[in-house]
Amino acid sequence: LAKTTQPISMDSYEGQEVNITCSHNNIATNDYITWYQQFPSQGPRFIIQGYKTKVTNEVASLFIPADRKSSTLSLPRVSLSDTAVYYCLVGAPTAAGNKLTFGGGTRVLVKP
Amino acid sequence: KAGVTQTPRYLIKTRGQQVTLSCSPISGHRSVSWYQQTPGQGLQFLFEYFSETQRNKGNFPGRFSGRQFSNSRSEMNVSTLELGDSALYLCASSLGGGQYEQYFGPGTRLTVT
Repeated sequence: LAKTTQPISMDSYEGQEVNITCSHNNIATNDYITWYQQFPSQGPRFIIQGYKTKVTNEVASLFIPADRKSSTLSLPRVSLSDTAVYYCLVGAPTAAGNKLTFGGGTRVLVKP
Repeated sequence: KAGVTQTPRYLIKTRGQQVTLSCSPISGHRSVSWYQQTPGQGLQFLFEYFSETQRNKGNFPGRFSGRQFSNSRSEMNVSTLELGDSALYLCASSLGGGQYEQYFGPGTRLTVT
């Protein structure tokens, strides 16, 4: 699985947009980019997944440039409840099964 | 639809004992994966079961084992507990066939004294 690099932590304020960039220089052709969110003492929660360009859902947007060597998770107008650890994962879903490899994640702190 | 459930939620064991954790996946999900989360090592993959067969395995000693039943429920067993086994153990389920959208349970917090 491609190795990912993301900032250890980020601070923001309520109502601001938070952008977390993940580097994945060795991403393979078949790899997808997936983001998970985790609150303390809870299991991670799937946020968004994409392959190229832009993907948007009701929670976040994912921007992937043409070379796919990085991606940016965008959280619009964050609230205090968005304080969590965000994980970027890169890999290809295959019929051989699931083996998610989590990196260190980015700890996002939203301040009032 | 009910989410992934794990029992027990909290557990305290003594070194040398063994423990069994249980996971019930979302109805219809056939893949169940187990993860260990500690402050020092982060989230680490233990193993995955699909249709009662172990399909993937992480880099953990043989003291960690698991199984899956015909109804897709899964159990994880740790024998000869060590202090370092204290962790949050998470179970995740998915439809199977290779899905990166996995649904995690709340975890079992295991403390080894």
